[in-house]
Amino acid sequence: AQSVAQPEDQVNVAEGNPLTVKCTYSVSGNPYLFWYVQYPNRGLQFLLKYITGDNLVKGSYGFEAEFNKSQTSFHLKKPSALVSDSALYFCAAPPGVYNFNKFYFGSGTKLNVKP
Amino acid sequence: DGGITQSPKYLFRKEGQNVTLSCEQNLNHDAMYWYRQDPGQGLRLIYYSQIVNDFQKGDIAEGYSVSREKKESFPLTVTSAQKNPTAFYLCAAWIQETQYFGPGTRLLVL
Repeated sequence: AQSVAQPEDQVNVAEGNPLTVKCTYSVSGNPYLFWYVQYPNRGLQFLLKYITGDNLVKGSYGFEAEFNKSQTSFHLKKPSALVSDSALYFCAAPPGVYNFNKFYFGSGTKLNVKP
Repeated sequence: DGGITQSPKYLFRKEGQNVTLSCEQNLNHDAMYWYRQDPGQGLRLIYYSQIVNDFQKGDIAEGYSVSREKKESFPLTVTSAQKNPTAFYLCAAWIQETQYFGPGTRLLVL
């Protein structure tokens, strides 16, 4: 079955330290992969995506993600966390490169950045 | 943010009542989507529409209905058949190989 998984419900990190939020996927073919951030009572904001090309994708607010085909992972990273990065993060993928009728979302990872 | 607006921000439903959530977009998106988000859970697809006058059921369409009479509008009706409607509802649209989301509507039951 096709799916996206975020194995950690919560990630805690100190401000200034690097952060990683994990995502693994199981979709057919070459995947499109997305990361979104959600603040309380707000919609999802697009952070970055991987479609093809360089395995390291850079996005908004200093975030980046590394696509690893052999490990079927797309982990979100930031070199130095800010308290304002505290939010809920979602990984997502459509079922196929040309199929955008639905998206598989991970269950979300709550990131807590402590001062 | 994809030019997607949702209204109202909060909506209260009485027992047995149908309510309609608005979703409007101004960037000529073709594909639009409705998702439901429950606390501590991910997003579940209710309906999607690729073009005007055409829409498809998602994973949890029971108790919901939609219309797509205009390209810029994709309203969602939560009918009285939906027994557990309390949730955060998100509208989205697909443009330039990215799905963008509106700000959401929180539906509460009185």
